[in-house]
Amino acid sequence: DIQMTQSPSSLSASVGDRVTITCRASQSISRYLNWYQQKPGKAPKLLIYAASSLQSGVPSRFSGSGSGTDFTLTISSLQPEDSATYYCQQSYTTLYTFGPGTKLEIK
Amino acid sequence: QITLKESGPTLVKPTQTLTLTCTFSGFSLSASGVGVGWIRQPPGKALEWLALIYWNDDKRYRPSLKSRLTITKDTSKKQVVLKMTNMDPVDTATYYCAHRPFPHGNYVDCFDYWGQGALVTVSS
Repeated sequence: DIQMTQSPSSLSASVGDRVTITCRASQSISRYLNWYQQKPGKAPKLLIYAASSLQSGVPSRFSGSGSGTDFTLTISSLQPEDSATYYCQQSYTTLYTFGPGTKLEIK
Repeated sequence: QITLKESGPTLVKPTQTLTLTCTFSGFSLSASGVGVGWIRQPPGKALEWLALIYWNDDKRYRPSLKSRLTITKDTSKKQVVLKMTNMDPVDTATYYCAHRPFPHGNYVDCFDYWGQGALVTVSS
């Protein structure tokens, strides 16, 4: 199985800050990496697919980069509504695996 | 507009079989490349993929749960059903179904629309 790790596990940042979340795969997954945002009591929402493609309707302050084993999700200017847990997911194999999540809080 | 909705029991007893139905609209599960997956999330924990069924009836299962899972589709009813046998309290979770779109580009394989989720509690 491909294991996914994320760092940090939680962070607190202020409105307007640039925030970066890192995801690492236990083996190369090319660019088969997706990012989801989940707010409490809600279903996950797709933000980024194929490592860097922005899902339709997602604000442009969200961006993704990386390939191989190391990936990042960046929020260029944090907004209050970005408070959520963020998950990465690999789709290199059909044994899809998610990372453990990064909880983002607004100061 | 794509929508999905999970339905099924909210409470099951240990050793029972869980049957969950995902009823969808806005897409056809006979369209090439399309799939519907099931993902669960225990309270306060991370997401865990369980199963996926493709437009051509190809099926994939989480290896550690494969012996307990069965996924089927009824294209005309626009439904996907997940059965999980021998339920245990550790299977308590919110169960989501999600749309897997046609891979419209390189490296595209994701879940772009999700149902609202169904909380299933396993307890005697």
